[in-house]
Amino acid sequence: QSVLTQPPSVSAAPGQKVTISCSGSSSNIGNNYVSWYQQLPGTAPKLLIYDNNKRPSGIPDRFSGSKSGTSATLGITGLQTGDEADYYCGTWDSSLSADVVFGGGTKLTVL
Amino acid sequence: EVQLVQSGAEVKKPGESLKISCKGSGYSFTSYWIGWVRQMPGKGLEWMGIIYPGDSDTRYSPSFQGQVTISADKSISTAYLQWSSLKASDTAMYYCARSVIGGAFDIWGQGTMVTVSS
Repeated sequence: QSVLTQPPSVSAAPGQKVTISCSGSSSNIGNNYVSWYQQLPGTAPKLLIYDNNKRPSGIPDRFSGSKSGTSATLGITGLQTGDEADYYCGTWDSSLSADVVFGGGTKLTVL
Repeated sequence: EVQLVQSGAEVKKPGESLKISCKGSGYSFTSYWIGWVRQMPGKGLEWMGIIYPGDSDTRYSPSFQGQVTISADKSISTAYLQWSSLKASDTAMYYCARSVIGGAFDIWGQGTMVTVSS
């Protein structure tokens, strides 16, 4: 059971938009920055979004992040088949359970 | 180029010890925290712990405290994850990753697959 809650799967057609939610609490998302990672099949995770809504160099602006209260959202527009991957949210947690927590991951299928 | 390069895949028997490595290059190794993340087959990411190579300050997830040891040798820009007695349940892919201000992991190693089987 992950500390951060994500939907197990989402799907959409090529060219469409999809959002992935990440729900936490005041000890993690509520008081810390959220980051998002993309893990393509058989590869290491890759940072997509940091500090809630910033994109590292090289990440297209089709990817966006937002945070409100104890929830965060990853948005992907103009879906491509190459976006099929697992997506994870992550953040620090100031409770006694752990310093860093991840969501359980969301499998994106581009139909 | 900033990168983390991990040691190769390992196949071990239960009860054996193991130390895997993560070598940083292209940046000041002592200025960033390095975290370790476990991914069991078909499962999600689990944070194991983190170390600051500058002074070896280390923190562990309660789930992994006492089960593994994280260390670093700043003279060779390398972080380590080690087990003293492996179990079959340690079979997983292990990633190291650089942590930046704000908590994100911006650079990831390619992963080290550890298989524990009798």
